[in-house]
Amino acid sequence: QKEVEQNSGPLSVPEGAIASLNCTYSDRGSQSFFWYRQYSGKSPELIMSIYSNGDKEDGRFTAQLNKASQYVSLLIRDSQPSDSATYLCAVNYSSASKIIFGSGTRLSIRP
Amino acid sequence: NAGVTQTPKFQVLKTGQSMTLQCAQDMNHNSMYWYRQDPGMGLRLIYYSASEGTTDKGEVPNGYNVSRLNKREFSLRLESAAPSQTSVYFCASSENSGGTEAFFGQGTRLTVV
Repeated sequence: QKEVEQNSGPLSVPEGAIASLNCTYSDRGSQSFFWYRQYSGKSPELIMSIYSNGDKEDGRFTAQLNKASQYVSLLIRDSQPSDSATYLCAVNYSSASKIIFGSGTRLSIRP
Repeated sequence: NAGVTQTPKFQVLKTGQSMTLQCAQDMNHNSMYWYRQDPGMGLRLIYYSASEGTTDKGEVPNGYNVSRLNKREFSLRLESAAPSQTSVYFCASSENSGGTEAFFGQGTRLTVV
């Protein structure tokens, strides 16, 4: 079992709709969770970080964390063509001081 | 503010050659990381350094060595390059190992022929 799992996609969403991206992780002791966006040929850039159970909103982005279910999600409202990218879920395994990434979900926003 | 700087940006090696990828950060971060990215595989952790003076293996350490030269610099060495090491390599740093986000360099595209 991979430590951080994501559906690879591609996920195709119409412009203006809500895109929902999901991630599960295996280490119950993890405390810090991150969503990165990566455009083709570029470096990953941080979109959201979340540390507590519940929702965290930043503009069109909402991160959701459920530690009991070991589940993290990212919602993108009013999806734009510029949101087309690969989204990487990352988990800080505090017991070992390392950040592990999922394999990423490729999101495509269609006009 | 440069952030995380990697050199070189591109490199072609012959099988069996050695090379060192350099990484430096100017954010006074304690923790540094080396990842590789292959198509469809996301980012896989090679080695990391939680603090100056410490290094630990990640998910895919075989064929690599690292040196945390000082707080700013963390290098990755390929002693005898193999075609399987063809990949994009990213260096990253974070403020500490206790849960802060990582910031990435621009990447090194390495091809081993």
